[in-house]
Amino acid sequence: AQSVTQLGSHVSVSEGALVLLRCNYSSSVPPYLFWYVQYPNQGLQLLLKYTTGATLVKGINGFEAEFKKSETSFHLTKPSAHMSDAAEYFCAVSNAGKSTFGDGTTLTVKP
Amino acid sequence: KAGVTQTPRYLIKTRGQQVTLSCSPISGHRSVSWYQQTPGQGLQFLFEYFSETQRNKGNFPGRFSGRQFSNSRSEMNVSTLELGDSALYLCASSGGRGTNEKLFFGSGTQLSVL
Repeated sequence: AQSVTQLGSHVSVSEGALVLLRCNYSSSVPPYLFWYVQYPNQGLQLLLKYTTGATLVKGINGFEAEFKKSETSFHLTKPSAHMSDAAEYFCAVSNAGKSTFGDGTTLTVKP
Repeated sequence: KAGVTQTPRYLIKTRGQQVTLSCSPISGHRSVSWYQQTPGQGLQFLFEYFSETQRNKGNFPGRFSGRQFSNSRSEMNVSTLELGDSALYLCASSGGRGTNEKLFFGSGTQLSVL
């Protein structure tokens, strides 16, 4: 069984501030972890993924995430928020072709 | 390379009717999965097809069904529609070479049941 918990359904930051979106997972096997972003009226787009190897994963648009097995976490960060980062973000765990998504975190960026 | 294409983009139906949604995956992708997205339930996995076979299934009633054709295109059918079926239905494709490929999503079909 696998599950994902995203802490905080809404996060608000000022433009230029650090973005931190939290994700904790549960998986009975070594996890494959993903972050997706969804803009209004669109499907989801992959930001980054962790499979094996380096635990710090860099993605598109300046985002990165660190896999911490001891904490079962895969938090998403970006050093400096941009207005265009405003969207909904989903953390997901995948196993054997089935992806389980968290409830999503809506990121608001204030000018 | 064309992305994942879902048709129609919007659909309005009444209770009791049935509906068929279509998804064309990225060329060369053999895995297609379907998700239901609602404000209250988030993203819920419906099912996944690989090479015309249903490989995974979520916890949805039998009114929800799907199929995949030899060209990897997939359809999803919902029979006897209920008000609660109103949602954004997302299709995603992946290369399917491994079992944990990243997903490429379409823009979705917004279904409204009146």
